[in-house]
Amino acid sequence: QVQLVESGGGVVQPGRSLRLSCAASGFTFSTYGMHWVRQAPGKGLEWVAVISYDGGNKYYADSVKGRFTISRDNSKNTLYLQMNSLRTEDTAVYYCAKDWKVGANVEIDYWGQGTLVTVSS
Amino acid sequence: QSALTQPASVSGSPGQSITISCTGTSSDVGGYNYVSWYQQHPGEAPKLMIYDVSNRPSGVSNRFSGSKSANTASLTISGLQAEDEADYYCSSYTTSNTLVFGTGTQVTVL
Repeated sequence: QVQLVESGGGVVQPGRSLRLSCAASGFTFSTYGMHWVRQAPGKGLEWVAVISYDGGNKYYADSVKGRFTISRDNSKNTLYLQMNSLRTEDTAVYYCAKDWKVGANVEIDYWGQGTLVTVSS
Repeated sequence: QSALTQPASVSGSPGQSITISCTGTSSDVGGYNYVSWYQQHPGEAPKLMIYDVSNRPSGVSNRFSGSKSANTASLTISGLQAEDEADYYCSSYTTSNTLVFGTGTQVTVL
């Protein structure tokens, strides 16, 4: 079955960087778009970024554009999120998520359990 | 991209039906049939309940149904059960090749 396991979260000071990883299994990783979605404590879901199945297309939420970079390694079945210039408002649980449609980036079907990123001095 | 608008809370008694609305614009909900609905229990990851406006994934109860009219999508839960108490979020693909989520609705079973 589909498994998405995030790692790399933790406590970081404002202005610093952090890289999240998501190990995928149970499906053909190289044929699906992948997303990052975050949820601040007690708040709703916020879409962060998406990368196409081959890494050729990447799109970001305005709130992270220019600071976050999504990437993938299809040989390792792993998704990444490089987060630079972190702000206190980036504090959230970050979810890795799989698109349901082969070759597209339109809707999420499976989610990981999330990793908590806390930005605090 | 502004969040899609959902009611903050909806409640109903066991066995009743409730409907949650999700209002966007012609650039998201109204422009595509890529509207999804997610259920999230406290401390858990979201779970897909509806995709492509009205399709249910395998394993999701047929008490859940979705629809769309113009810029507003809806999720209906019929035969409300205690286990349905959770937060619900809609999502839509947008003209910017991004996704946008709704503000979220807390469903309470009275």
